[in-house]
Amino acid sequence: DGGITQSPKYLFRKEGQNVTLSCEQNLNHDAMYWYRQDPGQGLRLIYYSQIVNDFQKGDIAEGYSVSREKKESFPLTVTSAQKNPTAFYLCASRNPRDLGHEQYFGPGTRLTVT
Amino acid sequence: RKEVEQDPGPFNVPEGATVAFNCTYSNSASQSFFWYRQDCRKEPKLLMSVYSSGNEDGRFTAQLNRASQYISLLIRDSKLSDSATYLCVVNRGGGYQKVTFGIGTKLQVIP
Repeated sequence: DGGITQSPKYLFRKEGQNVTLSCEQNLNHDAMYWYRQDPGQGLRLIYYSQIVNDFQKGDIAEGYSVSREKKESFPLTVTSAQKNPTAFYLCASRNPRDLGHEQYFGPGTRLTVT
Repeated sequence: RKEVEQDPGPFNVPEGATVAFNCTYSNSASQSFFWYRQDCRKEPKLLMSVYSSGNEDGRFTAQLNRASQYISLLIRDSKLSDSATYLCVVNRGGGYQKVTFGIGTKLQVIP
């Protein structure tokens, strides 16, 4: 079955540590996205990538970094510079040629930093 | 004004009821519109796209009103399994098909 996987589902870290969240898709989608979701707020875009070896900052990129070395993979690193990293992180992908513009989401990673 | 606004609810409705949600958007150049469903602590999943002519999928009907800049979702004969948060999503288009998510409207269907 095609889909998007994110691991781990729950992640706990101490303040001051960098942490990398994985996102893998086998949908052959060119575009991939990282969002964070906080209570009472809509999903906010962190980074996006439209093609391998290219990525762009979203609305809240500060304190995060990404790489896109392979089409299937778009890992997100939450650095110690991110002031409020505890959140639900969602990865998504999309086929830009899909006229419906639907984004497919992974199951998410809940990051707790103490 | 937020780009996409939704009433967060919760909307508590009895089984079998009809319920409607609205979502307003501020960018008149927005090109496409969607409703996603998100169950508690899960990822969002596409419920339906919203077309200018309106569209229906079983008990669900979505409408777009470009003049007033809002989209709506109507759920008929509510089921317990409809309990979820419904996210309004607006795509501004352009070179990067950027989408903006509303905060979601929480629906609780009660027996």
